[in-house]
Amino acid sequence: DVKVTQSSRYLVKRTGEKVFLECVQDMDHENMFWYRQDPGLGLRLIYFSYDVKMKEKGDIPEGYSVSREKKERFSLILESASTNQTSMYLCASSYRGRHSPLHFGNGTRLTVT
Amino acid sequence: GENVEQHPSTLSVQEGDSAVIKCTYSDSASNYFPWYKQELGKRPQLIIDIRSNVGEKKDQRIAVTLNKTAKHFSLHITETQPEDSAVYFCAAPDAGKLIFGQGTTLQVKP
Repeated sequence: DVKVTQSSRYLVKRTGEKVFLECVQDMDHENMFWYRQDPGLGLRLIYFSYDVKMKEKGDIPEGYSVSREKKERFSLILESASTNQTSMYLCASSYRGRHSPLHFGNGTRLTVT
Repeated sequence: GENVEQHPSTLSVQEGDSAVIKCTYSDSASNYFPWYKQELGKRPQLIIDIRSNVGEKKDQRIAVTLNKTAKHFSLHITETQPEDSAVYFCAAPDAGKLIFGQGTTLQVKP
C-alpha cells in the first residue's frame, strides 16, 4: 500500500517565520505535488515536481518555494509565513504514467498567527 | 489552462436516496476525469474515474457519466448510506497535473 507521510499533522507558526513542510513517499513515484485545501476553493496546486531537482509552478505559487533533492522527498517552504497562508496542506504523489492516480498524505493543518 | 467548476457545494439527502454531483470543464482535449472522496479528517482517495472514450462507468453504487459535447461529467451515488457522507472532488487533467473542482460536501441523514 502506498504511503505518503507528511511530517506534521498540526503546526502553529508566527508571521514572518520560515516554515518547512516535509513529505515522503515510499513507492518510488516520479511525480510529487503540493496542494492547498480551503473551504469552498477545493484543492489548489501550489507546486509540483516530475523528477529530482525539477519543479514546476502550479496555480498559486506566490509566497512558496519547494525542494526535491531526493526522489522520495518533496518539501514545501514558506519563506516568510503570513496569516493568509493558514490552511490545510496536502502532499500527493503518483507514477509518471498517464492517468496515474494521486496518493495523498494526511495533510498538515498550518496556522499562522 | 483547464478550469473545473463543481456543483453543488453542499448536498443533503436522506439515507437511501440518490445523490448527483456535477462538474464542467473547459478544455475539450481533456480525456480523463477522476473523482476523489475525502472523509472527515482523512486524506482524499480515488473512488472512480472515466476516460473520454466511454460515456458511463459503474462500480457498485457509484457511477460516473461523461458528456464530451457539453463538457460536463457527473457522479451518481444510489442508495446512499451514512458512510457516503464526505467531501467529493472532481478533477480534470492539465499538462500532466490534475485540476480539482471546489468540492461538494455530501451529508447523508439516517
